[in-house]
Amino acid sequence: DAKTTQPPSMDCAEGRAANLPCNHSTISGNEYVYWYRQIHSQGPQYIIHGLKNNETNEMASLIITEDRKSSTLILPHATLRDTAVYYCIVTSLKWVRDAGGTSYGKLTFGQGTILTVHP
Amino acid sequence: NAGVTQTPKFQVLKTGQSMTLQCAQDMNHEYMSWYRQDPGMGLRLIHYSVGAGITDQGEVPNGYNVSRSTTEDFPLRLLSAAPSQTSVYFCASSSGLAGVYEQYFGPGTRLTVT
Repeated sequence: DAKTTQPPSMDCAEGRAANLPCNHSTISGNEYVYWYRQIHSQGPQYIIHGLKNNETNEMASLIITEDRKSSTLILPHATLRDTAVYYCIVTSLKWVRDAGGTSYGKLTFGQGTILTVHP
Repeated sequence: NAGVTQTPKFQVLKTGQSMTLQCAQDMNHEYMSWYRQDPGMGLRLIHYSVGAGITDQGEVPNGYNVSRSTTEDFPLRLLSAAPSQTSVYFCASSSGLAGVYEQYFGPGTRLTVT
């Protein structure tokens, strides 16, 4: 799986857009970009994912550069409840195991970005 | 749906004791995983399963066993607890349908080994 680099922390004012960057310069053609977040003491929560096109859902937007070497997660109107650790993960859905069988992509969580939303 | 449930929420063990962390999901998901999270660190994959009867090792499998006899349940067994296994344990499941790898996580089990 490709390695990702995220800033360790970011701040954002409530009501403003939060833009969280992620670098994944070694991403392969079959690897997706996933974003998860973890609010304090809770299990991680899926946010959004994409391959090469920009994606939007009810939680966020994902902008992937044309060369796919970086992406940005956008929370359009951040609230205090968006304070969390945000993880950018790059993985393929499937890979061929050494034994010749087929297995499925794993999610490898790095350190993430601590986003703090201020009143 | 209850989603992914984990029991117990908290547990204290003495070194050398064994125990089983329970994980169940009611979404008929094929894929289930166990992660551990140490203070200030990201999640690390312990074991995972792609279906009933099929399990495989993740990044940090030593000291843990798993089995998957049903689609719903994926227990994690600590064979002989060590202080290094003090951590928060998360179970996750996903349907793994083509183009979607959205994992649903349980609330976690906070384990302390003394």
